[in-house]
Amino acid sequence: DVKVTQSSRYLVKRTGEKVFLECVQDMDHENMFWYRQDPGLGLRLIYFSYDVKMKEKGDIPEGYSVSREKKERFSLILESASTNQTSMYLCASSTMGQPNTEAFFGQGTRLTVV
Amino acid sequence: GENVEQHPSTLSVQEGDSAVIKCTYSDSASNYFPWYKQELGKRPQLIIDIRSNVGEKKDQRIAVTLNKTAKHFSLHITETQPEDSAVYFCAASISPNDMRFGAGTRLTVKP
Repeated sequence: DVKVTQSSRYLVKRTGEKVFLECVQDMDHENMFWYRQDPGLGLRLIYFSYDVKMKEKGDIPEGYSVSREKKERFSLILESASTNQTSMYLCASSTMGQPNTEAFFGQGTRLTVV
Repeated sequence: GENVEQHPSTLSVQEGDSAVIKCTYSDSASNYFPWYKQELGKRPQLIIDIRSNVGEKKDQRIAVTLNKTAKHFSLHITETQPEDSAVYFCAASISPNDMRFGAGTRLTVKP
C-alpha cells in the first residue's frame, strides 16, 4: 500500500516566518509534487521533482522553494510566509516505471499564516 | 505548460440520475487523462484514467470519454448514489512528472 505522509496536518505560522512542509513516500517513486489547493482554483502545481536534487517550477512557484536531498523526501519551503499563502498543501508522488501513472497524495497540510 | 479547464464547478443531481463533468486541455501533446475523487477531508484518489490511444473507458458506473481532435474529455457517472458526493478533479499530463489539474467539480447527490 503506497504511503505518502505529510509531517503536519495543521500548521499556524506568523507572517515572515520560514516554514518547512515535509513529505515522505515509501514506494521508491521517482516523481514528487507539491500542489496548493484553494476553493475554486483546484490543485495548482507549485514545484515538482523527478530525481534527487532535481526540481522544476510549476505554475505558481513564487514565494516557495523546494528541497529533495533524498529520494523519499520532498520538502516545500516558504522563505517568508505571507497571509496569501494560507492554504491546503498537498504532496504527491508517482513512478516513472511506465508512462503517466497514478499520483498518490498525502493527507494534506492546512497552513494558516497570521 | 498545460492548461486544463473543468466545468461545471458545482453539480447537483438526484440519486439515480447521471452526472457528467467536462474538461478541456490546451496542449495536443498531452497523452494521459486521469480523474481523481476527493471526499470531504480526505486526499484525492484516482478513480479512472484514459490514455490518448483510447476513446472511451468504462469501470462499472463510471466512464471516461476522450476526444483528441477537440481536446476535451468527460467523466460520466450513471445511477448516482449519495456516496458519489465529492469533489472531482480532471487532469492532463504530457509527461509522467508534469501533471496539471482542473479546478474541480463539487458533485452533490441528493437522496
